[in-house]
Amino acid sequence: EAEVAQSPRYKITEKSQAVAFWCDPISGHATLYWYRQILGQGPELLVQFQDESVVDDSQLPKDRFSAERLKGVDSTLKIQPAELGDSAMYLCASSSRAGQGSYEQYFGPGTRLTVT
Amino acid sequence: EDKVVQSPLSLVVHEGDTVTLNCSYEVTNFRSLLWYKQEKKAPTFLFMLTSSGIEKKSGRLSSILDKKELFSILNITATQTGDSAVYLCAVGSSNTGKLIFGQGTTLQVKP
Repeated sequence: EAEVAQSPRYKITEKSQAVAFWCDPISGHATLYWYRQILGQGPELLVQFQDESVVDDSQLPKDRFSAERLKGVDSTLKIQPAELGDSAMYLCASSSRAGQGSYEQYFGPGTRLTVT
Repeated sequence: EDKVVQSPLSLVVHEGDTVTLNCSYEVTNFRSLLWYKQEKKAPTFLFMLTSSGIEKKSGRLSSILDKKELFSILNITATQTGDSAVYLCAVGSSNTGKLIFGQGTTLQVKP
């Protein structure tokens, strides 16, 4: 069964360091999402890609976060510099189509980030 | 501001009990409502609802949407310890496929 792949699964870093997360969506899925989930809360959308284009990055803290999906397949989310408040689970999801908002998203295993 | 509210926030039951989880929403440009189950890992998809009054069913789980009253319920009958998880409700908004998640309901099923 096709799955969304993410790496690393766990990351511990010191504040002010740079971190990067990688996501490979299900093959053929044009839409890719990055979410942040703080413990005890639901996921919050950070950025959404349709192919290689950003569709929504309104909740992405652009002073320290960046995301790219250069070839419209896999994607990288970067934080520089990391802050203590960035400690969370970072989830990647993909869906086969976007538009109309009626397509289920499939999630990867997530990267659990701890900033010390 | 768009929001999705789930209740209760946590629930403890015994095996065999039936539970009902609630999700209410205030979202512009509603497109769909989705339920996910999250154990100590990424959310896994359960149901997607787009029309009022049509029950979706999978085994012991079922869900229904009321677009007039802006809520959905997720029912689990004959609960098992393996049902212990966080259940997330999300609403698909606008034409971009964006999901707005509730805070989740933590269900614990005791033997």
